[in-house]
Amino acid sequence: AQRVTQPEKLLSVFKGAPVELKCNYSYSGSPELFWYVQYSRQRLQLLLRHISRESIKGFTADLNKGETSFHLKKPFAQEEDSAMYYCALSTSNYQLIWGAGTKLIIKP
Amino acid sequence: DAGVIQSPRHEVTEMGQEVTLRCKPISGHNSLFWYRQTMMRGLELLIYFNNNVPIDDSGMPEDRFSAKMPNASFSTLKIQPSEPRDSAVYFCASREPGGQPQHFGDGTRLSIL
Repeated sequence: AQRVTQPEKLLSVFKGAPVELKCNYSYSGSPELFWYVQYSRQRLQLLLRHISRESIKGFTADLNKGETSFHLKKPFAQEEDSAMYYCALSTSNYQLIWGAGTKLIIKP
Repeated sequence: DAGVIQSPRHEVTEMGQEVTLRCKPISGHNSLFWYRQTMMRGLELLIYFNNNVPIDDSGMPEDRFSAKMPNASFSTLKIQPSEPRDSAVYFCASREPGGQPQHFGDGTRLSIL
């Protein structure tokens, strides 16, 4: 079955602390994974895609096929990182399977 | 490009009324998606179109919901009659041929009283 799991509905960390948002997937083919971010009452925006292997706003994510994971990490959280984060998997026909989302709260 | 454009941004109406949400995808994009977002159920795909043709409408909640895409630059999502449980944020997204990512509009915040 094709599935994306974000085990944490809510994650709260202090400013300056490291952040890791977990994402696990189940997919029989070659996965293409994404992280989207949604700031309060705004549109969903693409944050990262694994094929780009880039860092955006200090966030990185590495695809681990052995663990079927695509965790999102940032070494030092900032208050403006508070948002909803969605992990998504692209299927062979280019549809997106979405995780349930994790609400990240950065405490001052 | 102005991105995906949705209208209205907010809609408040009484139950039983017809509601029409509109979406203009990014020019050149040939796939269009309608999503519903609620606190309880998160982000749900309602329907998507490819080259103006509905491909998968299995996410449409019931017959009260309908969606059309008469041309490549316009789509509507209609709810008739509306009910309070339809209150949600409805997002439209589009993507270019044969690839990701999906680009989202600002959403329509719908409240049914």
